[in-house]
Amino acid sequence: DAGITQSPRHKVTETGTPVTLRCHQTENHRYMYWYRQDPGHGLRLIHYSYGVKDTDKGEVSDGYSVSRSKTEDFLLTLESATSSQTSVYFCAISQGEGSGNTIYFGEGSWLTVV
Amino acid sequence: GIQVEQSPPDLILQEGANSTLRCNFSDSVNNLQWFHQNPWGQLINLFYIPSGTKQNGRLSATTVATERYSLLYISSSQTTDSGVYFCAVDTGRRALTFGSGTRLQVQP
Repeated sequence: DAGITQSPRHKVTETGTPVTLRCHQTENHRYMYWYRQDPGHGLRLIHYSYGVKDTDKGEVSDGYSVSRSKTEDFLLTLESATSSQTSVYFCAISQGEGSGNTIYFGEGSWLTVV
Repeated sequence: GIQVEQSPPDLILQEGANSTLRCNFSDSVNNLQWFHQNPWGQLINLFYIPSGTKQNGRLSATTVATERYSLLYISSSQTTDSGVYFCAVDTGRRALTFGSGTRLQVQP
């Protein structure tokens, strides 16, 4: 258990509304990630963070923003949710500096946009 | 970007059988990790294996980085081994790139 908590775990929202997913970790890891998982696409990186206020885009970042004001929290925001953002969202942490170290995932957040 | 291909895409086994899952990657990598996603969606890290062979109980993994592939062996499979197995590679760009997975179903 890497001490990762995602919230909410399940959410249904309407098209056009903003949504924020929270990832909270208790072990002071510097690197944190947001992935989305869709059938036929596996896991794709949305954004990642390598420190407080240090973030960078992944391969599917359009329509998403992130913030990291504290080491323990990494927030993913959908500014105006669309049906194409219906997905399972996973937060992850790296035990060391970057992906060259063991990666652990949170339990996932199921988001449905109707 | 790097391509990560896993085979077979689907696999059905009888309990007690052995299996080998393969992960091929198209470029040099710094490390490779194997994950198991159980039927409830939880992703568990199985191995961190940039090269060589590691074993953990009935599971073992081998990575041959120079030939750009990794293998995951499951021996004496159990129904609890069911789920999706992902390999993921690190190319030094700070985040992992995942394959599309092998879906394993172990029947009693």
